[in-house]
Amino acid sequence: AQSVAQPEDQVNVAEGNPLTVKCTYSVSGNPYLFWYVQYPNRGLQFLLKYITGDNLVKGSYGFEAEFNKSQTSFHLKKPSALVSDSALYFCAVRDTNGNQFYFGTGTSLTVIP
Amino acid sequence: DAGITQSPRHKVTETGTPVTLRCHQTENHRYMYWYRQDPGHGLRLIHYSYGVKDTDKGEVSDGYSVSRSKTEDFLLTLESATSSQTSVYFCAIRDNTNYGYTFGSGTRLTVV
Repeated sequence: AQSVAQPEDQVNVAEGNPLTVKCTYSVSGNPYLFWYVQYPNRGLQFLLKYITGDNLVKGSYGFEAEFNKSQTSFHLKKPSALVSDSALYFCAVRDTNGNQFYFGTGTSLTVIP
Repeated sequence: DAGITQSPRHKVTETGTPVTLRCHQTENHRYMYWYRQDPGHGLRLIHYSYGVKDTDKGEVSDGYSVSRSKTEDFLLTLESATSSQTSVYFCAIRDNTNYGYTFGSGTRLTVV
């Protein structure tokens, strides 16, 4: 069965500092991994994905994620956090036939001015 | 949100009453999904559809039914609402351009 885990419910970081939001996964076969962001009272928005290729994936708003097969991780990163990055972040894995996504429980990111 | 609209955006209903939530898409996508979002649980799949009249259950389907009589509409029905169904409900379509989903803005349902 496919699953993802986000070990941190809350991450706080100072504005201008680098940020990391952690995600580990468990899949059978090759993983299709995603990060989504949710701003208050909004739906989830696509940030980036890993399907195949380079382990460092670049996405929207300056975010990137590093796929690490040996550690089964897909951590979300940004070199310099902005206050506007404060939101809820979800890691997700798609099952092999593409019919379902499995989401982590979410990490609330707060960027402190 | 990319041609997906959910209605209503907010609803308060009483325990035991039926409730129907609507998801409407304008882009002729085949796959549509209903998720519920709860603190500590993330998003959990309720039901999904892979075509007109073709639906399947997700991990939390008990107490919910769905219908898809047209490609553009996917309805979620709570036959007899319970307080445990108080949640935020999201509709999504499979986005063929990035292998992921595009989500609607959500329906906040409160069962009192």
